[in-house]
Amino acid sequence: GNSVTQMEGPVTLSEEAFLTINCTYTATGYPSLFWYVQYPGEGLQLLLKATKADDKGSNKGFEATYRKETTSFHLEKGSVQVSDSAVYFCALYPAGNNRKLIWGLGTSLAVNP
Amino acid sequence: DAGITQSPRYKITETGRQVTLMCHQTWSHSYMFWYRQDLGHGLRLIYYSAAADITDKGEVPDGYVVSRSKTENFPLTLESATRSQTSVYFCASSESGGGNTEAFFGQGTRLTVV
Repeated sequence: GNSVTQMEGPVTLSEEAFLTINCTYTATGYPSLFWYVQYPGEGLQLLLKATKADDKGSNKGFEATYRKETTSFHLEKGSVQVSDSAVYFCALYPAGNNRKLIWGLGTSLAVNP
Repeated sequence: DAGITQSPRYKITETGRQVTLMCHQTWSHSYMFWYRQDLGHGLRLIYYSAAADITDKGEVPDGYVVSRSKTENFPLTLESATRSQTSVYFCASSESGGGNTEAFFGQGTRLTVV
């Protein structure tokens, strides 16, 4: 079946450090892939997405590349800020008629000044 | 206000009581979803709806009831609340079920069952 696996948190970094949050998936065909972010006390919001292999999604300095060969969609940012402290969720939309997002468990990121 | 709103934001209720969580969206999105968020489980889909009067079960529907008589509203009812239903509940909507579609989330309802 379809599934998403994220690296476990919490991740703690100093400001301006490099961030990688790993996400791998299991799915048939070519799913669409998403990263959502949840800031403290808020709902989730879309951070970036990629809908086909080798696509790179980017937003707010974050990037993720859809790697079909490694079934991965790792989130990266070159220099994190305190304001990036949040929970990050990787998700996929399966190919075909299934209209339900499949979610990873989320990775908590804390950035210290 | 445009967007998706949930009410109440916080609720404490007693075991066995009926509780309804409200969700309202102003975009006329076809799809609406209810999730619960629990530590160690991430987001789990409770119910979803593809259009008014069309609803379907998600991963964890037991103990919950939904209805969708109008496109903009998607209330979630706990018929007889249990402590295991203590959670943060998120409502979401999206324009369609397609893979390019962004899901928009409400701010969540923190429900405590005592």
